[in-house]
Formats: sequence, C-alpha cells, structure tokens
Amino acid sequence: DVKVTQSSRYLVKRTGEKVFLECVQDMDHENMFWYRQDPGLGLRLIYFSYDVKMKEKGDIPEGYSVSREKKERFSLILESASTNQTSMYLCASSFLRGYNQPQHFGDGTRLSIL
Amino acid sequence: ILNVEQSPQSLHVQEGDSTNFTCSFPSSNFYALHWYRWETAKSPEALFVMTLNGDEKKKGRISATLNTKEGYSYLYIKGSQPEDSATYLCAFGTGFQKLVFGTGTRLLVSP
Repeated sequence: DVKVTQSSRYLVKRTGEKVFLECVQDMDHENMFWYRQDPGLGLRLIYFSYDVKMKEKGDIPEGYSVSREKKERFSLILESASTNQTSMYLCASSFLRGYNQPQHFGDGTRLSIL
Repeated sequence: ILNVEQSPQSLHVQEGDSTNFTCSFPSSNFYALHWYRWETAKSPEALFVMTLNGDEKKKGRISATLNTKEGYSYLYIKGSQPEDSATYLCAFGTGFQKLVFGTGTRLLVSP
C-alpha cells in the first residue's frame, strides 16, 4: 500500500513564526502536491512538484514556499505564519505518467496560527 | 478560473437506500475526472479516475459514469450502508495532473 506520511496531525504556532510541514511518500512517485482545506471550499492546490528540486505554483501560493531536495520528501514552508493560514493541510503524491493516475493522500495536518 | 460543482452539498439516507451525486465540470480541455471518498479522521481515498467520454467504472456497490461532452459525472451508491458515510469529492484533471476539486457531497447513512 502507498503510504504518504505527514509529520504532524495537529500543530499550533504563533503569528510570525516560520512553520515547516513535512511530507514523505514511499512509492517512488514523481509528483507531490500540497493542498489546504477550508470549510465550504474544495481542496485548493498551494504548490506541486514533478521532480526533485522542481516546483510549480498552484492556485494559492502566496505566503508559502516549498522544498523538494529528495524524491520522497516534499516540505511546505510558511515563511511568516499568519492567522489566515489556519487550516487543514493535505499532502498527496502520484505517478507522473499518463492522466489516469490517482493521487494518494496523507492524513492531513490541522494547523492553528494564534 | 475553473469551476467544479457538486450537488447536493449533503445527503442523509437510510441504510439500504440507493443514492447518487452529481459533479459538473468544464467541457473543454478535459484530461481526467477523479472521485475520492474522504472519511472523517482519515485520508481521502481514490475511488475512480476516468479519462474517456462514456466511461463507466464500478467498485463493489459504487459506480460512476462520465459525460465529457456535456461536462458531468454521476456517482451511484447501491444499497447504502453506514460505512459509506463520508464526503465524496470529485476533481477535474488539468495538465500536469493538477486537480481542481469540488466542495464535496457529505453523505450520512443511518442504520
């Protein structure tokens, strides 16, 4: 079974802090994604990566950056956390080939910024 | 901005009822349509990925159809069970396998 592991289920941080959310997958997937989920909104794509050291902006990249130094690990960074970044964050991964590849998700990190 | 709409927003049925949900998406630049099930406190789980107009997929009591020309997909659950209670998400696939998600249909099945 594909395993996508996010480092924390719950996280509480303060405004202005630099926050790191880590995601590791064990299936040698090329693609990795970071989403956020807010009430009444669908999952929204923040950033994605299709290869090591490659990154592409998603629909809502402002206030975030990412790092992919190794194929299995994709980190989301909140440079200076703000209260409007309180949300559920989901990481996902998939194979690159074809358009019929499902995405495999982690359990999510519920992040609160105080 | 791509818009993916799901209806209804929520649904409450009795065990044994059959039900269906709708996903509407743009009918142009189609790559794929995904369905996911997201149970509370778990991770979203892929149900189906459909890429061809007229595709029909089935997994146990759950099935899905796809009409890319008119931009909709139906998800059917036959004989709903309490363990089917979850939020069902559809997502429209764009280039680079980016997905645009709908807001989901929350299903509650009472015993």
